[in-house]
Amino acid sequence: GENVEQHPSTLSVQEGDSAVIKCTYSDSASNYFPWYKQELGKGPQLIIDIRSNVGEKKDQRIAVTLNKTAKHFSLHITETQPEDSAVYFCAASIKNSGYALNFGKGTSLLVTP
Amino acid sequence: SAVISQKPSRDICQRGTSLTIQCQVDSQVTMMFWYRQQPGQSLTLIATANQGSEATYESGFVIDKFPISRPNLTFSTLTVSNMSPEDSSIYLCSVESGADEKLFFGSGTQLSVL
Repeated sequence: GENVEQHPSTLSVQEGDSAVIKCTYSDSASNYFPWYKQELGKGPQLIIDIRSNVGEKKDQRIAVTLNKTAKHFSLHITETQPEDSAVYFCAASIKNSGYALNFGKGTSLLVTP
Repeated sequence: SAVISQKPSRDICQRGTSLTIQCQVDSQVTMMFWYRQQPGQSLTLIATANQGSEATYESGFVIDKFPISRPNLTFSTLTVSNMSPEDSSIYLCSVESGADEKLFFGSGTQLSVL
């Protein structure tokens, strides 16, 4: 199947610093790229998404950028807080499968006070 | 966004038995999906639950092992059949919210097979 690569697998930052997580995808037909945050014992929570007709989207401290030519997209969290600590997953839509998604392997983010 | 209720939230089962997981949505949705998340791993799509027709399974997943029902636009079940310890995972129901065209997840079912 098509792959989504996500880096880094773990990320530790100081409170107030920025965190960046990067993903690449292989299916050129993918046109929807959401990011999910998963806390321990909970299901993934959609935090931001982007579609292939835009290059950047921002929602308060969170932003996502998309480079469709290079097939990569990134999540940027500014002014990180301890409650941002969680596992973050990127995903790309699966061709011909409606909104079914291929997920990256996840990034465990730790924000230390 | 849609409110998704999934149950049971967790279960411990004996090998060889079967478990049926239920997913209830508070609004009618066209697309429902079932994902598996193995311990410390990412999410893998098992199948798309289609209302009024058979589920569409991804490579590596078969109907005999993971039968799915979708009797209406707000409900689906996933059965994990003839379980083995390798089936220990979190199983997640997800739905596409037609108005927002976004994918939302239930809280998952933590399954442990002894």
